[in-house]
Amino acid sequence: LAKTTQPISMDSYEGQEVNITCSHNNIATNDYITWYQQFPSQGPRFIIQGYKTKVTNEVASLFIPADRKSSTLSLPRVSLSDTAVYYCLVGGTGTASKLTFGTGTRLQVTL
Amino acid sequence: KAGVTQTPRYLIKTRGQQVTLSCSPISGHRSVSWYQQTPGQGLQFLFEYFSETQRNKGNFPGRFSGRQFSNSRSEMNVSTLELGDSALYLCASSLGITNEKLFFGSGTQLSVL
Repeated sequence: LAKTTQPISMDSYEGQEVNITCSHNNIATNDYITWYQQFPSQGPRFIIQGYKTKVTNEVASLFIPADRKSSTLSLPRVSLSDTAVYYCLVGGTGTASKLTFGTGTRLQVTL
Repeated sequence: KAGVTQTPRYLIKTRGQQVTLSCSPISGHRSVSWYQQTPGQGLQFLFEYFSETQRNKGNFPGRFSGRQFSNSRSEMNVSTLELGDSALYLCASSLGITNEKLFFGSGTQLSVL
């Protein structure tokens, strides 16, 4: 079962690019990497998912090196509304693997 | 398309009681998973159901149980409530089995007094 490690917290100013790295040293061959965003008193919300190299969507990019032992979520030009907890999740698509959320990274964006 | 619906939103119980929480997944989604979230332990996986079958279970005592109905709706039950069961209980649905894109509900905030 892949365990993930993320920084507990990060601070950023509005308009900056934020990169949050997640370590998952024992990722399995069929594991995907997924990131979620959570605001207080709400359920997590899907941001992005990838297997290798780089994935980009309208809100974020996900960078995964060749060895897949880590991944970096990149949020371009953050705003105050991006203040939230970000979770990195590793698990196998299509398998009954236990989904393990790490401690998450609390991102605080200020003016 | 309606999102994942969890009821009730808030619940207050006393120690020793039991509680049933309900989750209605997004239409067409066959997988439902449950999580417990507390400030100290974070998000912890409880169990996952697919097509009425429990596929996986987290490390929780037998007081925590669940089931899924033929329409994919799911319930979880906690018997003999303890103070430590106070938490936000989140339900997520997905099209297929595990680690597909998960859609979470807003959760049920359970307080045990």
